[in-house]
Amino acid sequence: KNEVEQSPQNLTAQEGEFITINCSYSVGISALHWLQQHPGGGIVSLFMLSSGKKKHGRLIATINIQEKHSSLHITASHPRDSAVYICAVKPASGSRLTFGEGTQLTVNP
Amino acid sequence: EAQVTQNPRYLITVTGKKLTVTCSQNMNHEYMSWYRQDPGLGLRQIYYSMNVEVTDKGDVPEGYKVSRKEKRNFPLILESPSPNQTSLYFCASSRQLNYGYTFGSGTRLTVV
Repeated sequence: KNEVEQSPQNLTAQEGEFITINCSYSVGISALHWLQQHPGGGIVSLFMLSSGKKKHGRLIATINIQEKHSSLHITASHPRDSAVYICAVKPASGSRLTFGEGTQLTVNP
Repeated sequence: EAQVTQNPRYLITVTGKKLTVTCSQNMNHEYMSWYRQDPGLGLRQIYYSMNVEVTDKGDVPEGYKVSRKEKRNFPLILESPSPNQTSLYFCASSRQLNYGYTFGSGTRLTVV
C-alpha cells in the first residue's frame, strides 16, 4: 500500500461544478503539499498545510491530522483548471517528500 | 523574478555518456531537491540538500550524483546513463524544509 493515496485517479467535470480531490496518508506528517501539474508538464505549488484550512481564490485545501486525510476543493470550476493535482506529504521524521500518483482533472466547457 | 532554472529542457543521449542537468535558484533557498516522474509511478525523490555541502539520498538515488558547492546551484550528474533513467526530471527549492516549494520547468531526458 502506498504511503499516500489519492482519489479519484481521474475526474471529469462540467464547467461551474464544485470539485473535490482526496488524499489519505498512512504516516505521521509535519506538512502536506498540494501541487498542480499543467498539461505542458510544469509544476506549481498550490498549498502547504500542517493543520486546518487554507483558501486561495477558488481553491480550498483542508487537512484532518487525526484522520490522516486532506481534501482539495475547487469552486466554480473552469476549463483552465484542467491539470493533474498531486498530494505530497513530509513525514514527521525524515526530510523526504512522498507523493501520491496524482488526480487527472478535466473540466469541460 | 523568483525562479528555479533547469537546463536543458530536453536531452537525448546515448548509454554511458556522462551528462549533467543544471539547477539554479535565485531565492536564497536552503533546501533543494531532485525528482523524477515516470508514468504510473508518480514523482519520486532522487537526492536532496538541506544546505551547502549537505546532501542526502532520496528514494531512488542509484545511478545519480549531486553536489551543493554553492547555495544557488544543485546539479544532477548521471555518470553513466542507462535507458532506465529515461524520465522527466524536476528540480525544486524551498526556503526551508516545511515551506512551499518552487519547481523548475522540468528536463525530459531520453537515454538510447
